[in-house]
Amino acid sequence: DTGVSQNPRHKITKRGQNVTFRCDPISEHNRLYWYRQTLGQGPEFLTYFQNEAQLEKSRLLSDRFSAERPKGSFSTLEIQRTEQGDSAMYLCASSYSGRNTGELFFGEGSRLTVL
Amino acid sequence: AQSVTQLGSHVSVSEGALVLLRCNYSSSVPPYLFWYVQYPNQGLQLLLKYTSAATLVKGINGFEAEFKKSETSFHLTKPSAHMSDAAEYFCAVSDPLSGGSYIPTFGRGTSLIVHP
Repeated sequence: DTGVSQNPRHKITKRGQNVTFRCDPISEHNRLYWYRQTLGQGPEFLTYFQNEAQLEKSRLLSDRFSAERPKGSFSTLEIQRTEQGDSAMYLCASSYSGRNTGELFFGEGSRLTVL
Repeated sequence: AQSVTQLGSHVSVSEGALVLLRCNYSSSVPPYLFWYVQYPNQGLQLLLKYTSAATLVKGINGFEAEFKKSETSFHLTKPSAHMSDAAEYFCAVSDPLSGGSYIPTFGRGTSLIVHP
């Protein structure tokens, strides 16, 4: 069990650029979640996958955001035409649906700074 | 809809003193409840969870929490604070009747400050 891995850990970009984050979940976990955390706030749900299917998306996930999990393993979160308001920590988490209670295993996050 | 309220964005204690972090939830059904800890520039780590078994739940690092349905509370306690406990603490709730999604909703967090 190597834990949830996120890359890159830090990303600084200029407004208007596109960025992509990658998440590798715990290998036996079939569910993968993306959350956003801004300074002084708790994590806010963005979207989650079960295997390769994206089952739910938050209203926070605007049209500029897209998430994929093409083979039910790793996932990517892309933000197009970044805005300063997108600056946040993007957290990935995973779980196994067979034992699911809402307990999530988090990665260390990818911090985005939009200049 | 479910929600979590954490009273106090900052709690300051002396080393060796009792730690009490408050969490109240709102849910239409008895929920699953969690406490997570986050150290600077790191992800969240589960401290403990309540999933409808014993109402007093013990977690890692000497923390425990008690589910009180009548008060809709799940406060986190530790008898004696240690400097290493300084971190951000998040309470979270998920709905067992959510059709299997169990997506947890998090509170805004409480920053625990421990003074020597």
